[in-house]
Amino acid sequence: DGGITQSPKYLFRKEGQNVTLSCEQNLNHDAMYWYRQDPGQGLRLIYYSQIVNDFQKGDIAEGYSVSREKKESFPLTVTSAQKNPTAFYLCASTPTGSPNTEAFFGQGTRLTVV
Amino acid sequence: AQSVTQLGSHVSVSEGALVLLRCNYSSSVPPYLFWYVQYPNQGLQLLLKYTTGATLVKGINGFEAEFKKSETSFHLTKPSAHMSDAAEYFCAVTFYSSASKIIFGSGTRLSIRP
Repeated sequence: DGGITQSPKYLFRKEGQNVTLSCEQNLNHDAMYWYRQDPGQGLRLIYYSQIVNDFQKGDIAEGYSVSREKKESFPLTVTSAQKNPTAFYLCASTPTGSPNTEAFFGQGTRLTVV
Repeated sequence: AQSVTQLGSHVSVSEGALVLLRCNYSSSVPPYLFWYVQYPNQGLQLLLKYTTGATLVKGINGFEAEFKKSETSFHLTKPSAHMSDAAEYFCAVTFYSSASKIIFGSGTRLSIRP
């Protein structure tokens, strides 16, 4: 079955450490997205990529980095520069050039700083 | 500027009562409109979408929404609430002119009283 896989589901990080969240899709979608979700704040866009080897900052990119070396993969690194990283992170994908097509989401990764 | 507004961060209804979740958008170009549902600690999944054609759209789990251009609204309804409908609901909009830009509302948490 086609879909998006995020791993791990739960992640714990010590302050000052970088951590990388995995996102893999087998939907053959060109566009991929990372969102952060905090209680009562909806979804906030961190980064998005419309094509391999290209990505753009979203609304809250500071303290995060991404790469897009393969069409199927869009990993997100939460760096030590992110002051408040505890949140639920969602990865999504869509076909490029198809705004009438819904986004497909992974099951999310809950990151907690300990 | 293009935006989506969901009125009411939390809605509570009795089991069997009408569910009405409100969504208004702001746009100078024709929108594509979506409703997503999110259960605790999971990703978002599509409930229904409006792209073109019939303005009354039926989705999964008995939900429907009507696109009203004159009111710039896309409210979500269900005639009779079920306990399993308790979840967070997000309205979202995309536009042909910015195919990879998805704008989400802030979400509405729906609670169902026995």
